[in-house]
Amino acid sequence: GQNIDQPTEMTATEGAIVQINCTYQTSGFNGLFWYQQHAGEAPTFLSYNVLDGLEEKGRFSSFLSRSKGYSYLLLKELQMKDSASYLCAVRGTDSWGKLQFGAGTQVVVTP
Amino acid sequence: IAGITQAPTSQILAAGRRMTLRCTQDMRHNAMYWYRQDLGLGLRLIHYSNTAGTTGKGEVPDGYSVSRANTDDFPLTLASAVPSQTSVYFCASSVETSGRDEQFFGPGTRLTVL
Repeated sequence: GQNIDQPTEMTATEGAIVQINCTYQTSGFNGLFWYQQHAGEAPTFLSYNVLDGLEEKGRFSSFLSRSKGYSYLLLKELQMKDSASYLCAVRGTDSWGKLQFGAGTQVVVTP
Repeated sequence: IAGITQAPTSQILAAGRRMTLRCTQDMRHNAMYWYRQDLGLGLRLIHYSNTAGTTGKGEVPDGYSVSRANTDDFPLTLASAVPSQTSVYFCASSVETSGRDEQFFGPGTRLTVL
């Protein structure tokens, strides 16, 4: 099985940077995903990491360290619309490719 | 418009009633999934299917059943609803089940069982 931990809530100011950490314990690893979910809406894909290192995509970056079972999502130049829940999910190595999700981190951006 | 649709958007159901949540995708994705999302628990996988005609049990399958008669449709049935099944249900799909194949989510069904 897999255990995925991420903080429950984080607050940051508009224009600032926030880093959301995710740690995982897994019997098999085949990639880590980050999703964004606004209140009352469906999750939407943000990033995917399978190799160690940093993946950058505009204002969002995601980092992975497989040896440490650790990832973070970095949100730069925060905007009010970034207020949302951010979900970390790990894909296992079974043939079904199932994702195990963390409980999500609620990011609140203040003016 | 390509994507995933779910019906109904919301439903209030009496305990003991049978209910089917519908999910349809037009992206010709092979894999489909059903999740429930509860406050503080995140998304939990109920059932999944990696191709038409095959299904599997996820983390919380008890009380639910699914079928995958074709590529596009993946209905979720609650045979006899109980209050603990009150939740938001999301259907998702992906091209395949490996690598960086991301899952695309439907808009969700908010179900209340009284």
